[in-house]
Amino acid sequence: AAGVIQSPRHLIKEKRETATLKCYPIPRHDTVYWYQQGPGQDPQFLISFYEKMQSDKGSIPDRFSAQQFSDYHSELNMSSLELGDSALYFCASLRFGVGAATYEQYFGPGTRLTVT
Amino acid sequence: AQSVAQPEDQVNVAEGNPLTVKCTYSVSGNPYLFWYVQYPNRGLQFLLKYITGDNLVKGSYGFEAEFNKSQTSFHLKKPSALVSDSALYFCAVPNDYKLSFGAGTTVTVRA
Repeated sequence: AAGVIQSPRHLIKEKRETATLKCYPIPRHDTVYWYQQGPGQDPQFLISFYEKMQSDKGSIPDRFSAQQFSDYHSELNMSSLELGDSALYFCASLRFGVGAATYEQYFGPGTRLTVT
Repeated sequence: AQSVAQPEDQVNVAEGNPLTVKCTYSVSGNPYLFWYVQYPNRGLQFLLKYITGDNLVKGSYGFEAEFNKSQTSFHLKKPSALVSDSALYFCAVPNDYKLSFGAGTTVTVRA
């Protein structure tokens, strides 16, 4: 079965550079979530999109922006990178529905961003 | 807001012994609860979920979880642990559709 695809899997950037992370949800999934997992921490919600519109926003810095495109893939753009942005960034997708199926998110393998 | 807590940072067991990873929850209304596993340098993999109905939920890789309303717990269990079960385990609960995770429990199964 098709899974969530994230690219790149690894990314090394210097401080003050920009980075773009991409997420391709499972086919027919209309909702995408972005999470950030720092070293030794649990994943923290950043932002989500439903049908190409931002649906929720968490602890996402103003230096970050994201969008969902017409083909439902999503991109997380990160500017003025800081050392503290080094983390594993997960994308998750689901097909919005009713009941528990609405909450079951499928996670991609993550992009490991290292800022030096 | 809905939340979960994992009281143990680490759990160490010998291969073949029972494995329990603890999770307690604080939710309003009917809880939806999830367990995810994260292997080193890998993404989060769904293990199982509780919606309603049977308090014992069976999931992937031989794992099961017991929902206990009176103790507000949703402990993950495996009757006989394998070395390959060594990983980081997260309990999670939806908050307005996004997931809130517990702090995670590192499970080490020794041969």
